[in-house]
Amino acid sequence: NAGVTQTPKFQVLKTGQSMTLQCAQDMNHEYMSWYRQDPGMGLRLIHYSVGAGITDQGEVPNGYNVSRSTTEDFPLRLLSAAPSQTSVYFCASSPGTGVFEKLFFGSGTQLSVL
Amino acid sequence: AQKITQTQPGMFVQEKEAVTLDCTYDTSDPSYGLFWYKQPSSGEMIFLIYQGSYDQQNATEGRYSLNFQKARKSANLVISASQLGDSAMYFCAMREAGANAGGTSYGKLTFGQGTILTVHP
Repeated sequence: NAGVTQTPKFQVLKTGQSMTLQCAQDMNHEYMSWYRQDPGMGLRLIHYSVGAGITDQGEVPNGYNVSRSTTEDFPLRLLSAAPSQTSVYFCASSPGTGVFEKLFFGSGTQLSVL
Repeated sequence: AQKITQTQPGMFVQEKEAVTLDCTYDTSDPSYGLFWYKQPSSGEMIFLIYQGSYDQQNATEGRYSLNFQKARKSANLVISASQLGDSAMYFCAMREAGANAGGTSYGKLTFGQGTILTVHP
């Protein structure tokens, strides 16, 4: 039972490069989201999706794009990487958007932008 | 304004003693959920406990309990009989029902800054 799978686990980019962080879940969850974790700031929501074809911005969306063409996949695209995007990125999902529904997290991607 | 505030950047506790990690929240939604997650040094996020805004009793899960004071808007995590393996970062989080401009329920989960707990032998 894989749960939420994120790839890659580690990535080093140069300023200006683009890349896609992959996220897939096999639990048929409608809700998926991306967070970034920075020291002293907790986890901040980048983008989220309440179902295939539906995405919306979170707290810190600038510099990131998402799409949700299938229920299973929710990739996060960095358009032109900047050092300020050095962070740990987590993908998380839940069955729906109910306030009682906990998030299931992937193992995270550590991204460094030089 | 911060929706979730954890005022203790770090806490220390002796093994086998109890410890309380503070969390206050801010919402005007009558329906919301409060969560605590643990993040050990390995980095994964582990769900610990949940409390619903309409729940009459404080949630408990093994050695974890949630001291829910709705009028004060606080949801403190109590860990009883601390163990060395409890050393980790702990996050409080809130999920609101809410809705965006299109009327779609979005159910975003907002996290606090976290508290690093160190358990001493």
